[in-house]
Parts: sequence; structure tokens; C-alpha cells
Amino acid sequence: DGGITQSPKYLFRKEGQNVTLSCEQNLNHDAMYWYRQDPGQGLRLIYYSQIVNDFQKGDIAEGYSVSREKKESFPLTVTSAQKNPTAFYLCASRQGFLNTEAFFGQGTRLTVV
Amino acid sequence: GQQVMQIPQYQHVQEGEDFTTYCNSSTTLSNIQWYKQRPGGHPVFLIQLVKSGEVKKQKRLTFQFGEAKKNSSLHITATQTTDVGTYFCAGLDQGAQKLVFGQGTRLTINP
Repeated sequence: DGGITQSPKYLFRKEGQNVTLSCEQNLNHDAMYWYRQDPGQGLRLIYYSQIVNDFQKGDIAEGYSVSREKKESFPLTVTSAQKNPTAFYLCASRQGFLNTEAFFGQGTRLTVV
Repeated sequence: GQQVMQIPQYQHVQEGEDFTTYCNSSTTLSNIQWYKQRPGGHPVFLIQLVKSGEVKKQKRLTFQFGEAKKNSSLHITATQTTDVGTYFCAGLDQGAQKLVFGQGTRLTINP
């Protein structure tokens, strides 16, 4: 079954702790993306990656870090420097060339208390 | 940097009424994509427009891409309760594979 998997679905962390969100895809897609969604708001781009071992900052990268050591995996770390980390995080992937759609994971809802 | 603006933010209609959401980019786009997110779900791809002035239809949904490839619209004719959700446009810039989403329009429907 091909797809993109995010885990866990719900995550609770104490303030000041780093936390890593998992994103795995078996679609053989080159490009992967992380978005943040706050209640009633749109999708804001955190980081994206076009190929292995390369990634670019999106519009709200501060307080986040990523890695792309394998084509299938694009984990996102929410660091203690992120001032307001509670949000719904969505990972997406797409083929690396133009005119292809993005496929999303089910999302991870992170709550920091 | 590239910005994609979408209006309105919210729209409430009576079932059977029409609905339109508009999308504008600060830069010329390679293409525009539209997604739908049901409450509690994740965005799902609806359609992609590539050519200047392109119009595509999916049953009651009509999508348009502007001549300058900087704006787009989604129009739903005779809304049904199954149309409830948030509709997003997303623009892909012309080189960097950066996929930027608009703020979305949340559609609610009174049956």
C-alpha cells in the first residue's frame, strides 16, 4: 500500500523539550514538505527538500530543524526555541518535477504543556 | 518571497447556493493546484491548472487560471452538504519546487 505516513497522530510534550515528528513515504517521491496548520488558518511552509541531503527553509523555519538522509524519510524536530509549538503538523511529498500534486500524511497534532 | 493570498477566509451558504473562492499570487506561477480538507482531515488534491487562461470542470466545480498565471478561482454550483470543508489553492514557483498554500476558504453549509 503506497502512501505517506506520519507518526504519532497525537503528541504531548512539556515546554522546553525537543520533539521529533516522523514522516515516511514509499511513493518514491523526490520532494518532501513540512507544513504547520493552526486552528482556522492555512498551511504555512516550514521546510522542504527536493533531494536527499538537501533542504531549504520555508516561511516559518525558526525553531525547527529537519534532515533528509534517506529519500523515504523527512523527520521534523520542533526545538525548544520554537515559541509557540502547539499546532497540527502536516507532511507532504510529490514527484520532483513540475506539474505533480502533493500527497499528504494524516498529520500530527502536537500539544506542548 | 512568494505569497499566495486567498479570499474569503470563511463562507457560509444555504445548500443549493453557489460558492466562489479566489486566489492571488505575488509572483507568476508555474501552476496552481487546488486541495480540499475535510474537517479533521488532511488536504486532498482536487485539480491542477497549468496553462494561462485555463478552465477545468469537475462536475459542479469550475476552476480557472488567470491569463497572467497569478490568480485563480474555484466556483461550486449548487452546493451540497458534502462540499463542506476548507478549500486551499497552492502555487508552485517557477524554479525551486516551493509549494506555497493560500490561507484557505472554509465553507460551511446550512442544509
